[in-house]
Amino acid sequence: DAGVIQSPRHEVTEMGQEVTLRCKPISGHNSLFWYRQTMMRGLELLIYFNNNVPIDDSGMPEDRFSAKMPNASFSTLKIQPSEPRDSAVYFCASMSGVRTQYFGPGTRLLVL
Amino acid sequence: DQQVKQNSPSLSVQEGRISILNCDYTNSMFDYFLWYKKYPAEGPTFLISISSIKDKNEDGRFTVFLNKSAKHLSLHIVPSQPGDSAVYFCAAAGGTSYGKLTFGQGTILTVHP
Repeated sequence: DAGVIQSPRHEVTEMGQEVTLRCKPISGHNSLFWYRQTMMRGLELLIYFNNNVPIDDSGMPEDRFSAKMPNASFSTLKIQPSEPRDSAVYFCASMSGVRTQYFGPGTRLLVL
Repeated sequence: DQQVKQNSPSLSVQEGRISILNCDYTNSMFDYFLWYKKYPAEGPTFLISISSIKDKNEDGRFTVFLNKSAKHLSLHIVPSQPGDSAVYFCAAAGGTSYGKLTFGQGTILTVHP
């Protein structure tokens, strides 16, 4: 069992650039969640999918953020254009029928 | 509006003693609660959970207690070990958003040898 896989683990980019974060959920899990962790706001849910369909995107901060889940084994979170205030650790988590989410190792994003 | 609160930012305990981490919630629709442990540069790791139909759940050294009337839960670690030093997050789920978790701010636990 490989667990939730995220890539890249670290990303450094310049303001205005497009950033794409990737996630592979645990096989067989039908729900996927994207979180952002910052010192100020802690762990906050950005968006979640159930059976590849976005269910709640109320946490997405603004239109610069978008997320897709084209199939059951892959999801992306895109920021375009990126800004310094987007610097954070982004986590992906997946869940099966039981209400326990399993987290990936995170992507540490730094926007200069 | 913080629906899940961990009022103690940090806790320091001696090895072998009990660690008690506390969490309060305000939303009466929450019916499932979880504790996660997080080491630096890693994602949160699931530790233990409890449904609102129970008031206690035990797994080895870890026990979670739920007091629904007080809207309070606690995690007990006995005995505490230095490897338990981490950030502990309490999370809650329930209501119309099945599976969606609301997290507390976390408590940094340090267990001294």
